[in-house]
Amino acid sequence: GAVVSQHPSRVICKSGTSVKIECRSLDFQATTMFWYRQFPKQSLMLMATSNEGSKATYEQGVEKDKFLINHASLTLSTLTVTSAHPEDSSFYICSAGSTMNTEAFFGQGTRLTVV
Amino acid sequence: DAKTTQPNSMESNEEEPVHLPCNHSTISGTDYIHWYRQLPSQGPEYVIHGLTSNVNNRMASLAIAEDRKSSTLILHRATLRDAAVYYCILRRGNAGNMLTFGGGTRLMVKP
Repeated sequence: GAVVSQHPSRVICKSGTSVKIECRSLDFQATTMFWYRQFPKQSLMLMATSNEGSKATYEQGVEKDKFLINHASLTLSTLTVTSAHPEDSSFYICSAGSTMNTEAFFGQGTRLTVV
Repeated sequence: DAKTTQPNSMESNEEEPVHLPCNHSTISGTDYIHWYRQLPSQGPEYVIHGLTSNVNNRMASLAIAEDRKSSTLILHRATLRDAAVYYCILRRGNAGNMLTFGGGTRLMVKP
């Protein structure tokens, strides 16, 4: 099946710094990618929809200036957590789908810890 | 997307079949029933999906009630590697692969 690669898998950063997470579709073109966040013992919550070549669409309550999304090509979307704080510590997951597949493909996830 | 209801957790013995139920009484005619599972510290992975008819693939079977208000994911022989959170999700037609996750069922497999 199609593969979505997410990098890094784990990152620790200091409070106030920024962290960039990459999501790549390895063998298909993804015009749309999705970013989710998952806190411990909770389900995945959609943060934003990333559209290639246009602005991302953010879910209610997600600050677009804090979670910067760039989808500059059909195979790469990035999520930058700016001025990270301990409450941003979470598991961030991206997903992508192609027009040829009904199912969504997910990255491995990125465990962000802000200290 | 319409809501689904799943038990919080279930337990199974290794090598035995597992039936994971899902209720979706407000399903609409264009909603597909999708199942994903999430192993610890990993992103979700696709398991199976269907619309009206029962479906089988190498991972599992999906039994859909005639009125489509419920469905059951069947793992024919549970292994320790099947221990995961299983999510039953309704997706409306071609909803661009966006998925709305509920609480899911945490499946524990005992050796």
